[in-house]
Amino acid sequence: DVKVTQSSRYLVKRTGEKVFLECVQDMDHENMFWYRQDPGLGLRLIYFSYDVKMKEKGDIPEGYSVSREKKERFSLILESASTNQTSMYLCASSIRPVGNQPQHFGDGTRLSIL
Amino acid sequence: GQQVMQIPQYQHVQEGEDFTTYCNSSTTLSNIQWYKQRPGGHPVFLIQLVKSGEVKKQKRLTFQFGEAKKNSSLHITATQTTDVGTYFCAGGVRGGSQGNLIFGKGTKLSVKP
Repeated sequence: DVKVTQSSRYLVKRTGEKVFLECVQDMDHENMFWYRQDPGLGLRLIYFSYDVKMKEKGDIPEGYSVSREKKERFSLILESASTNQTSMYLCASSIRPVGNQPQHFGDGTRLSIL
Repeated sequence: GQQVMQIPQYQHVQEGEDFTTYCNSSTTLSNIQWYKQRPGGHPVFLIQLVKSGEVKKQKRLTFQFGEAKKNSSLHITATQTTDVGTYFCAGGVRGGSQGNLIFGKGTKLSVKP
């Protein structure tokens, strides 16, 4: 069974801090994704990566960056956290090709920016 | 950008009633996927439809993919309290370096016992 593990279930940070959210998958999947989920807005794609050191912007990349140094790990970075980045963050992974394979999600990180 | 519209946003039903959620895309999809997210949980993959006009069943759940591959529906017969959650459709679209999966905003189902 695919396991996608996010480093924290809950996280509280302060405005202006640099925040790292980590995600690890154990199934050797090529693709990894970061979404944020807000009430009424569904899942919005922030960034995705289809290979090590590769990344592509999703629908809402502003204020975020990502890092994929190893195949199993995909990190989301909030360069300078702001209150409007308070949200649930979901990581997912899939095999290739991106749009045609099921995505496997982690449990999510509920991030609060004070 | 490309969007997948999903309706209704919320649905409240009495246990035993049927439930349907609909997804529509302005562009032709390569496939449609359905996910379920239980309260406090994460989205879990249910099924994928690929062929035009395809219909698949999982027990009380029936999934359809339209002939033009632009719309899809999920129908639950005789809902149970275990069906509570948010149901998302996600359309596979071609283009870009790898294509992408576009999620609808979801339909939140509540079931009254």
